[in-house]
Amino acid sequence: GENVEQHPSTLSVQEGDSAVIKCTYSDSASNYFPWYKQELGKGPQLIIDIRSNVGEKKDQRIAVTLNKTAKHFSLHITETQPEDSAVYFCAASRGSQGNLIFGKGTKLSVKP
Amino acid sequence: GAVVSQHPSWVICKSGTSVKIECRSLDFQATTMFWYRQFPKQSLMLMATSNEGSKATYEQGVEKDKFLINHASLTLSTLTVTSAHPEDSSFYICSAEGQGRNTDTQYFGPGTRLTVL
Repeated sequence: GENVEQHPSTLSVQEGDSAVIKCTYSDSASNYFPWYKQELGKGPQLIIDIRSNVGEKKDQRIAVTLNKTAKHFSLHITETQPEDSAVYFCAASRGSQGNLIFGKGTKLSVKP
Repeated sequence: GAVVSQHPSWVICKSGTSVKIECRSLDFQATTMFWYRQFPKQSLMLMATSNEGSKATYEQGVEKDKFLINHASLTLSTLTVTSAHPEDSSFYICSAEGQGRNTDTQYFGPGTRLTVL
């Protein structure tokens, strides 16, 4: 079955710097890759997703890139702010034919 | 849009009692709802998948008689933890995907913190 590896497990950056979180997946049939942000004591919030028919997607300060050949995808956050501090999870699925498989999460700390 | 609610947000119960958690999709009809469990500082673990009007599909290792799931309508799913024990204490989160939206996108509820004494 699918396996999703996520790195790093913790990431500390200065406010204004960029943050990059990387994930790899094993199932070549996976075609949907969402990213979730989870604040302490809350449910995960979808922040951006990408499907396998595109290589990059951007939404303001957040972008996701996908390399299908290498089976990895990354989350890029630019101009980080303290409110970006949270745990970020990547996930992969075969779309409507499969369940989401989550990475282990990255705790991002943005220091003012 | 894509709002999913859970009730209660937290619950404390005595060992041996049952607890019901509700999950509602507020602004869309959810053909499929998922129940996850999350331990501190860990990732989400899928417990079961439920489709409206049919029996839930449980992941390996999840006791279906202990974690009863009912998906009676397109906007409501419930998880009942029967005969709860301290080891059932956890953060339970539901998600929903469904009609009128990308059918592979899951929107999560805010979670329910269960503490069993």
